[in-house]
Amino acid sequence: QVQLVESGGGVVPPGRSLRLSCTASGFNFSTYSIHWVRQAPGKGLEWVAVVSADGSQKYYVDSVEGRFIISRDNSKDTVYLHVNSLRPEDTAVYYCAALVIDFWGQGTLLTVSS
Amino acid sequence: DIVMTQTPLSLSVTPGQPASISCKSSQSLLNSDGKTYLYWYLQKPGQPPQLLIYEVSNRFSGVPDRFSGSGSGTDFTLKISRVEAEDVGVYYCMQSVQHPPTFGGGTKVEIK
Repeated sequence: QVQLVESGGGVVPPGRSLRLSCTASGFNFSTYSIHWVRQAPGKGLEWVAVVSADGSQKYYVDSVEGRFIISRDNSKDTVYLHVNSLRPEDTAVYYCAALVIDFWGQGTLLTVSS
Repeated sequence: DIVMTQTPLSLSVTPGQPASISCKSSQSLLNSDGKTYLYWYLQKPGQPPQLLIYEVSNRFSGVPDRFSGSGSGTDFTLKISRVEAEDVGVYYCMQSVQHPPTFGGGTKVEIK
């Protein structure tokens, strides 16, 4: 069964860090770029970051550049999003997705609040 | 960044009637490879988005043929020929011709 499962969300105070994980199963994970897309409560979709299939290329939206780091471990079929210097506006459900084949996880909620 | 503007914000449709959503981009989405990188997604309540249309007019696998996409350059349209109850949710257009990919603000479709 094809799956992407996000984990690592929670409630954290502003300024802190967290690591989100996205673990794949059921497809050839190592051949696809993986994206993170977030959705603030009641709001629309915002693309956040992407890592290429081999992990060599990474791109970010300006609002997280320098604070978030995307990486992957193909031996573990897992992509990570290290979220640092968190701000209240980073509060959202974070989805990982293999966009080109339209595989999405169910999302993990990150709440930044004191 | 390319700004994607969707209209209307919401739509209330009688089952069996057509619906149309517009998406306009602040720059042309035509790439030098000849492809236009415009996508349509549907996010049903409580679910992640699902791809309906890729590269303007190509239905993704399993998408009913009542969904169709058209347009070019900066103006695009998603049409539902006969809306069904299962089509409720928020529709988003997205461009990926230029980093970062950007989404439209969404159009909420509900059934009358």
